Amino acid sequence: EAGVVQSPRYKIIEKKQPVAFWCNPISGHNTLYWYRQNLGQGPELLIRYENEEAVDDSQLPKDRFSAERLKGVDSTLKIQPAELGDSAVYLCASSRMGQAEAFFGQGTRLTVV
Amino acid sequence: TQLLEQSPQFLSIQEGENLTVYCNSSSVFSSLQWYRQEPGEGPVLLVTVVTGGEVKKLKRLTFQFGDARKDSSLHITAAQPGDTGLYLCAASSNTGKLIFGQGTTLQVKP
Repeated sequence: EAGVVQSPRYKIIEKKQPVAFWCNPISGHNTLYWYRQNLGQGPELLIRYENEEAVDDSQLPKDRFSAERLKGVDSTLKIQPAELGDSAVYLCASSRMGQAEAFFGQGTRLTVV
Repeated sequence: TQLLEQSPQFLSIQEGENLTVYCNSSSVFSSLQWYRQEPGEGPVLLVTVVTGGEVKKLKRLTFQFGDARKDSSLHITAAQPGDTGLYLCAASSNTGKLIFGQGTTLQVKP
């Protein structure tokens, strides 16, 4: 079974530029999460999808962050415009609906300069 | 707001020593997971505990869920350099939200 796939692995952009991250969850996993993680810290939830519906986006900074999961499978997370403080690892995870165990991708390391 | 407090935040020990990492909350959770994360990788699930008082063993790792399902511990016996990494506890509320503790960075020196 293929794991969660994220791309790109690394991204360096100048502040005020847009950036997008892509995630392909494990096949059959209805729940998809986007997390942000700073070095040595635990992941912080940005948004959670159940199929194509965003059921929890309370932690998503909606002035500059947006996400979509149009067909209930792949998802994209966008930041526009990026700020220096957005530098972090962005993790995508998926799970079967109703199950607590989440499976993570390798993450995208974003550096805003 | 449901919070998970992990302690210690950082632990540096010699190979062969034992250690315990704690995860505490004031909230009751339906289940709790422990993950391990290596640099440049995503967290990898180690175990899920669901029953108050439950103890699970995974080779040299022992996981315990508190009777009230508010806290958990991870004990590693005879730590090895390969155990080095970031250990994360995570919990699911009954609404399905998965939240993480701040993590414990473990360094095992040979």
